[in-house]
Amino acid sequence: QVQLVESGGGVVQPGRSLRLSCAASGFTFNSYPMHWVRQAPGKGLEWVAVISFDGSNKYYRDTVEGRFTISRDSSKNTVYLQMNSLRPEDTAVYYCAREGNTAMATLDYWGQGTLITVSS
Amino acid sequence: DIQMTQSPPSLSASVGDRVTLTCRASQAISNYLAWFQQKPGKAPKSLIYAASSLQSGVPSKFSGSGSGTDFTLTINSLQPEDFATYYCQQYVDYPLTFGGGTKVEIK
Repeated sequence: QVQLVESGGGVVQPGRSLRLSCAASGFTFNSYPMHWVRQAPGKGLEWVAVISFDGSNKYYRDTVEGRFTISRDSSKNTVYLQMNSLRPEDTAVYYCAREGNTAMATLDYWGQGTLITVSS
Repeated sequence: DIQMTQSPPSLSASVGDRVTLTCRASQAISNYLAWFQQKPGKAPKSLIYAASSLQSGVPSKFSGSGSGTDFTLTINSLQPEDFATYYCQQYVDYPLTFGGGTKVEIK
């Protein structure tokens, strides 16, 4: 069955960096685009970034562009989110999600999330 | 960015009720609309994609409709496990955007 397991969360000071990982299993990883979505405590869902199935295309929300980098390693079936220059407003649970690869597909499977707290 | 507005923000309903949730896009998105269910402390779960297509394994009590800017999610015969927050999301363009959610609570 499809499984997505995030790791790398924790408490970090403003301005510092953190790298999140999302280990995928149960499907052909290099056939699917992968996303990161976050949710601040008590708030709604906010899309962060996407990487195409082959890593050739990446898109980010404006507020993380230039600070966050999404990447993937097909040899490890893992997608990453490198987060630099972290701000308190980046505090959230970060989910990785798979985008289906059929017509009109969207985020069909999600990981359990990992919490990032940016605080001094 | 495309803004997604959900209404109502919350509603109270009884077991067995039928409820309809509404989602409006700030511009036409064809049928690039998805619905997700989220329970406290859990990851979102995909329910509907392409405005009206049921995700595999999702019971047929859930149904979606709409196109363009106005969309609805209907839940028939509410059961205790259906009390949750529901989000709509457009995926016609980046950035993907979500509505603010509708919390369905037990009356």
